Amino acid sequence: AQSVAQPEDQVNVAEGNPLTVKCTYSVSGNPYLFWYVQYPNRGLQFLLKYITGDNLVKGSYGFEAEFNKSQTSFHLKKPSALVSDSALYFCAVRVQNTGTASKLTFGTGTRLQVTL
Amino acid sequence: KAGVTQTPRYLIKTRGQQVTLSCSPISGHRSVSWYQQTPGQGLQFLFEYFSETQRNKGNFPGRFSGRQFSNSRSEMNVSTLELGDSALYLCASSSQGAGNTIYFGEGSWLTVV
Repeated sequence: AQSVAQPEDQVNVAEGNPLTVKCTYSVSGNPYLFWYVQYPNRGLQFLLKYITGDNLVKGSYGFEAEFNKSQTSFHLKKPSALVSDSALYFCAVRVQNTGTASKLTFGTGTRLQVTL
Repeated sequence: KAGVTQTPRYLIKTRGQQVTLSCSPISGHRSVSWYQQTPGQGLQFLFEYFSETQRNKGNFPGRFSGRQFSNSRSEMNVSTLELGDSALYLCASSSQGAGNTIYFGEGSWLTVV
């Protein structure tokens, strides 16, 4: 079975400072990894994904994430946080050998609070 | 192009009733999946449809069902509603291929009273 852990319920950061939202995963096989963001009363917005290749992936709104196979991690980062980045962030995983099945397994989410 | 569209956005139902939620995927996407989001359980996979066939099902009781039409639009139904079914129900679509991005709709907020 696959699982995702987001060890921090909330991350607080001052605007302009770098941010990191942590994610670790457990799968049998090679993972596809995703980050989504959810604003209040909204659905999930796709930020970025890791499929293969370069371990550092860049996504929307200046976010990036680093895939680390040995540590089974996929931490989300941004060099300079904005107040508008305050939202709920979800890490998710799919397994490559599942053919075309689209089941995502999500972490519990991390609330990012950016203050002035 | 238009994103994933879900209707209705908000609804209130009484315990014991049934509800049907609708989802229109992104044009060209043939895979549609459904997720339930609650504060206590987080995001949980309900089921996935591809070309009108259910390919995958989560660990939910038989009261939860779905279907997909030939135009890829999908509906999910919950019968005999319970208070615990109150949740945000999210529909997602993707094109074929496990590495393809899954895009989500805005969700349908269901409140059971």
